[in-house]
Amino acid sequence: AQTVTQSQPEMSVQEAETVTLSCTYDTSESDYYLFWYKQPPSRQMILVIRQEAYKQQNATENRFSVNFQKAAKSFSLKISDSQLGDAAMYFCAYRSLWQNTDKLIFGTGTRLQVFP
Amino acid sequence: NAGVMQNPRHLVRRRGQEARLRCSPMKGHSHVYWYRQLPEEGLKFMVYLQKENIIDESGMPKERFSAEFPKEGPSILRIQQVVRGDSAAYFCASSPSLAGDQETQYFGPGTRLLVL
Repeated sequence: AQTVTQSQPEMSVQEAETVTLSCTYDTSESDYYLFWYKQPPSRQMILVIRQEAYKQQNATENRFSVNFQKAAKSFSLKISDSQLGDAAMYFCAYRSLWQNTDKLIFGTGTRLQVFP
Repeated sequence: NAGVMQNPRHLVRRRGQEARLRCSPMKGHSHVYWYRQLPEEGLKFMVYLQKENIIDESGMPKERFSAEFPKEGPSILRIQQVVRGDSAAYFCASSPSLAGDQETQYFGPGTRLLVL
C-alpha cells in the first residue's frame, strides 16, 4: 500500500523569503500523480500544484514550484516570496494511475507560519 | 461555475442520532469522493462514487456509514447512530469525467460534525 510522509509538523518563514516543505512517499508503481493542497484557517482544501510522475520537468505555478525526485520518492514544495496569506496547513497527496480507484492518499500535513 | 457545495457546514448531533451530509459536485463532474479529517490529522479517504454506483468504499467503516450518489440530486453521506468518535470534518471532492483533468479533485468547504 502507498504511504505519504510529511516529516515537518511545523515550519515558519519570514515574509518575502523562501521556504521548502518536504514530502516523501512509498510506492511500487511507476506512474502516479502527486499533489500539494493548502488548507487555510477556513479549512477549505485548495489545490496548489500537481505533478505527473511520467513528466521529468518540475511543475511550477507562479510562486509555487516542486522538486520532484522520482528515484528518491521525494516531492518537496518551494514557496518563493512568501506572503502572509500563505500561512496554512499544507498537505501532500498521492494518487495511483493504475488502480481502479481515484482516491487520494494524504500526508499528515505541515503547518506553515509566515511572519511579517 | 460554482464550486463543490456541501451542506450543512456545521452539524451537531447527540449520540444515537443520524447525520446526513450532502454534497453537490461541480457542474459537469460525475465523480464524487468523501474524505474524513479528524482533529489535527490529514484527510482519510472514505468512498468514491459515480452516478448510481459505488466504485471504491474501502475507507468506509463497515457499520453505520453509507453513501449514495443518485442519478438526480446531491451525493449523501449518512451516519447512523452517531458516536463521539464520529466528530470530524467531512470533505467532499469532485472530478470531471473527461480524461485529462480527471486526476484533479476539487474540494468543497467541508461539514463539521460534532457529536455531543
